[in-house]
Amino acid sequence: SAVISQKPSRDICQRGTSLTIQCQVDSQVTMMFWYRQQPGQSLTLIATANQGSEATYESGFVIDKFPISRPNLTFSTLTVSNMSPEDSSIYLCSVEVLVSGGEAFFGQGTRLTVV
Amino acid sequence: QQQVKQSPQSLIVQKGGISIINCAYENTAFDYFPWYQQFPGKGPALLIAIRPDVSEKKEGRFTISFNKSAKQFSLHIMDSQPGDSATYFCAASMEGSGYALNFGKGTSLLVTP
Repeated sequence: SAVISQKPSRDICQRGTSLTIQCQVDSQVTMMFWYRQQPGQSLTLIATANQGSEATYESGFVIDKFPISRPNLTFSTLTVSNMSPEDSSIYLCSVEVLVSGGEAFFGQGTRLTVV
Repeated sequence: QQQVKQSPQSLIVQKGGISIINCAYENTAFDYFPWYQQFPGKGPALLIAIRPDVSEKKEGRFTISFNKSAKQFSLHIMDSQPGDSATYFCAASMEGSGYALNFGKGTSLLVTP
């Protein structure tokens, strides 16, 4: 398994500002994923972040709005830029542990409220 | 477009009963089917997972049944307990996408005492 720490756990932000969410893993992993979970909804993949390459974004998500960094095999950040109330969601970091057969583990999430 | 369809949206079961949640998928390239349990304020936790080479997997009170020809899989929770009250998500992924998960919409389970 993998232990994933996300910071901050929650934040309230003003519209038009940006927030950077950090994800730290206790072991080296190749694949890291960022998901969004809107209130009472399911999880939607934002992007896949591999170390040493540009993040791959899903349809409906763009780099200018959600820039991602992946400087090493244990760390990644997701920035939510120029926020609006529609960005209020839980943002979750996930890692895939290949030695566990591709099992994915999640951080506790960052609950973002934009006012 | 929802690639994994989950039902029911909500479920109420009495303590000791069997909870059953169903999922269906279209993409035959999916080769990994996990179930996640999520409590309020927490991230999803992997509960149990199955690959298409088996039709059933059991871990404790939790069983996945998998029907490859029907492209359906289900989670059975035996002897349901109030502590099982949570939201359950089925998901599907494939090696070709680096095992990025496609989630169902979730089922809110309430187990009454």
